[in-house]
Amino acid sequence: DIQMTQSPSSLSASVGDRVTITCRASQDILNNLNWYQKKVGEAPKALIYGASNLESGVPSRFRGSGSGTDFTLTINSLQPEDIASYFCQQSQTTPWTFGQGTKLEIK
Amino acid sequence: QVQLQESGPGLVKPSQTLSLTCNVSGGSISSGGYYWSWIRHHPGKGLEWIGYIYNSGTTYYSPSLKSRVSISVDTSKNQFSLNLSSVTAADTAVYYCARVRRLIYWYFDLWGRGTLVTVSS
Repeated sequence: DIQMTQSPSSLSASVGDRVTITCRASQDILNNLNWYQKKVGEAPKALIYGASNLESGVPSRFRGSGSGTDFTLTINSLQPEDIASYFCQQSQTTPWTFGQGTKLEIK
Repeated sequence: QVQLQESGPGLVKPSQTLSLTCNVSGGSISSGGYYWSWIRHHPGKGLEWIGYIYNSGTTYYSPSLKSRVSISVDTSKNQFSLNLSSVTAADTAVYYCARVRRLIYWYFDLWGRGTLVTVSS
């Protein structure tokens, strides 16, 4: 199975900050990397698919980048409503696998 | 808009079969281009993909669970289901149903809120 290593596991930042979360795959997954947001009490939500494609309805402050084995989710100008857990997922090879998640808190 | 809702027992005894259903509302499960999937989240651990089904009945299961898992679809009821047999405490998790969108890339474009299933006697 492809292992997905996500960092950091938790993060505290201030409103307006730029936040970066990274995800590393144990082998080349091309651009088959997706990012999701999970807020407490809500269903997970797709943010980015195919490494850099913004899901419909997702604010443009979210940006995905990378290819191969190293990927980044960037949140520009962090907002209070961005408090959530974020996790990556590879769809290059079944079984599809996920990163361990990053819990984002506001300072 | 399309919504997914999981339902089923919150408590299952060891060695029994865990059965969950995902009701799809606001759209047809027979819509082309989508697969339907189950994912689980163990407490304190990462997410684990269980498998998917197409409306034709074609399935794919994660090898780690393949011997115990069955996913089925009922297009007349607009729902799909998960059966996981011979459960142990290690199967305690929040179970999510999700829709898989297949464009150039495959990804889970819609999720249910999840349901906690505890395996305990």
